[in-house]
Amino acid sequence: AQSVTQLDSQVPVFEEAPVELRCNYSSSVSVYLFWYVQYPNQGLQLLLKYLSGSTLVKGINGFEAEFNKSQTSFHLRKPSVHISDTAEYFCAVNHQAGTALIFGKGTTLSVSS
Amino acid sequence: GAVVSQHPSRVICKSGTSVKIECRSLDFQATTMFWYRQFPKQSLMLMATSNEGSKATYEQGVEKDKFLINHASLTLSTLTVTSAHPEDSSFYICSARARAVNTEAFFGQGTRLTVV
Repeated sequence: AQSVTQLDSQVPVFEEAPVELRCNYSSSVSVYLFWYVQYPNQGLQLLLKYLSGSTLVKGINGFEAEFNKSQTSFHLRKPSVHISDTAEYFCAVNHQAGTALIFGKGTTLSVSS
Repeated sequence: GAVVSQHPSRVICKSGTSVKIECRSLDFQATTMFWYRQFPKQSLMLMATSNEGSKATYEQGVEKDKFLINHASLTLSTLTVTSAHPEDSSFYICSARARAVNTEAFFGQGTRLTVV
């Protein structure tokens, strides 16, 4: 069975600092991996996705993630965060196209000045 | 990108009444739609999967008679919360997969349901 573990429930950082949000997954087969951002009382916005090919994936708003098959990880990074990046971030996985995404519990990123 | 419109964004209803939430794919055909429920400060829990023209498949623990899902067309799915109670208060989010691009799901804006 698939599962997703987001290792940090809350990550507080200062503005312009780098940040890494960690995500590990468990699956015995090939996977598709996603990062979504959610602002209060809103739906999910796709930041980036890994389907195949290059393991370094670049997304919107300056975010990137690296797929590491040996460590079963897909950590999200941003070299310099803004106050506006404060939100909830979800890592998600599925192994078969067309099936539902399985989500991690989320990481709250809080950016302060 | 593909747009999924969910309506209403917020609804308050009295205990014992029913509420219908609509999820529409605006610019693509959604062969599969998913309904999630999100409790405060928690992750999204899959409630059910619906394919156009067939009955929804519910996850374990989800009451299919309470949460009625209809996917009558390739652009519309509805979730009806029947005989709502305060414990049904939650944030409900739909997502849709396109026929042509089924490696990605597109999400609606969510519906905040409050049962009083």
